[in-house]
Amino acid sequence: GEDVEQSLFLSVREGDSSVINCTYTDSSSTYLYWYKQEPGAGLQLLTYIFSNMDMKQDQRLTVLLNKKDKHLSLRIADTQTGDSAIYFCAESIFSGGYNKLIFGAGTRLAVHP
Amino acid sequence: DTAVSQTPKYLVTQMGNDKSIKCEQNLGHDTMYWYKQDSKKFLKIMFSYNNKELIINETVPNRFSPKSPDKAHLNLHINSLELGDSAVYFCASSPLPGGAGYNEQFFGPGTRLTVL
Repeated sequence: GEDVEQSLFLSVREGDSSVINCTYTDSSSTYLYWYKQEPGAGLQLLTYIFSNMDMKQDQRLTVLLNKKDKHLSLRIADTQTGDSAIYFCAESIFSGGYNKLIFGAGTRLAVHP
Repeated sequence: DTAVSQTPKYLVTQMGNDKSIKCEQNLGHDTMYWYKQDSKKFLKIMFSYNNKELIINETVPNRFSPKSPDKAHLNLHINSLELGDSAVYFCASSPLPGGAGYNEQFFGPGTRLTVL
């Protein structure tokens, strides 16, 4: 089946680390993505990971992938108020010769002083 | 320069009406998509076009009809609007239709449709 699950809310203090978790269902997904949606805006790609990797670091962002458990996480170090947004996990599904993204419901991150 | 643009940004209409949403991308991409985001922020793909040809058609009522006059434009026409059609509709584009490779999608700002 096609299903991506995320917890809906996360609240952290400014300066702390945030960890957003995601589970997906398609073990053949070759790429997994994290998108960020700020209020009133469209989604923007934040980072991605190839399925043969188990970790990717990009400045304050660390993506961890446990392919056996189909679990993906996004860690944001030194979380700032500007990081407040909804974060979507997405898996790529190859179906009928084409690629489509299946998104989770999004995790709303609230950063407070 | 706006990469993926949509018009209108807001659309309020009565049940039973027919309306269209337009999308344009200036990225030179071959593939475009329509997504629906409901009130709980759940985002689901509706359609995808590659170079004016429909390639993905999810389980969407046939009141929704996409049209791609050229590869830079993908419009969405909705007939006989229902209350449940109220949502934010996002257009997106990507360089490739996929395959199993990396395929970043670029999203427009969304059109908030409210059906009364």
